[in-house]
Amino acid sequence: QSVLTQPPSASGTPGQRVTISCSGSSSNIESNNVYWYQQLPETAPKLLIYRNTQRPSGVPDRFSGSKSGTSASLAIRGLRSEDEADYYCAAWDDSLPGVVFGGGTKVTVL
Amino acid sequence: EVQLVESGGGLVQPGGSLRLSCVASGFTFSNYEVNWVRQAPGKGLEWVSYISNRGGTMYYSDSVKGRFTMSRDYAKNSLNLQMNSLRAEDTAVYYCVRGDYGEGDVWGKGTTVTVSS
Repeated sequence: QSVLTQPPSASGTPGQRVTISCSGSSSNIESNNVYWYQQLPETAPKLLIYRNTQRPSGVPDRFSGSKSGTSASLAIRGLRSEDEADYYCAAWDDSLPGVVFGGGTKVTVL
Repeated sequence: EVQLVESGGGLVQPGGSLRLSCVASGFTFSNYEVNWVRQAPGKGLEWVSYISNRGGTMYYSDSVKGRFTMSRDYAKNSLNLQMNSLRAEDTAVYYCVRGDYGEGDVWGKGTTVTVSS
């Protein structure tokens, strides 16, 4: 059971908008930054969103992050076939202390 | 090129020990915090441990506390993870990750640890 809660799956057709939620608590998401990672099949994860809303250089602006209270979301606009991957949210948890991850959301492009 | 390369994985019996290494290149190693994150077969990501840039602060997940120990070798730009009393549930790909407080901006390709008799 992961500390951060994500839906196990999400899907959409090419061009659609997909949103992935990440629910936590006051000791993690509410008081610290949220990060999102994309893991393509058989590869190491890659940082997709940092500090709640920021995109690293090279990440398309189709990807966006938001945070409110104890929850965060990742939105993928204009879904493409190459977006098929597992997506994880992460945050520092002051109560541990340590990093907590969501269980991951598998995005399928129909 | 900024890079992290892990090594040291392999097959070990339950109760045994293994030492993983992570060599950094392309950046000033002593300026950055580093973590180990693992992924069991078919499962999600699990944070294992963190060490500060100067090595003075370390954190471990409850699942490895007392069994795993991190250390840094600044002369070799490397990070080590000494894993003792290994269990079947430690079987995973172990990633070396640069960053702090959940931000992992550079990941290695990982090294596989299998604990089995």
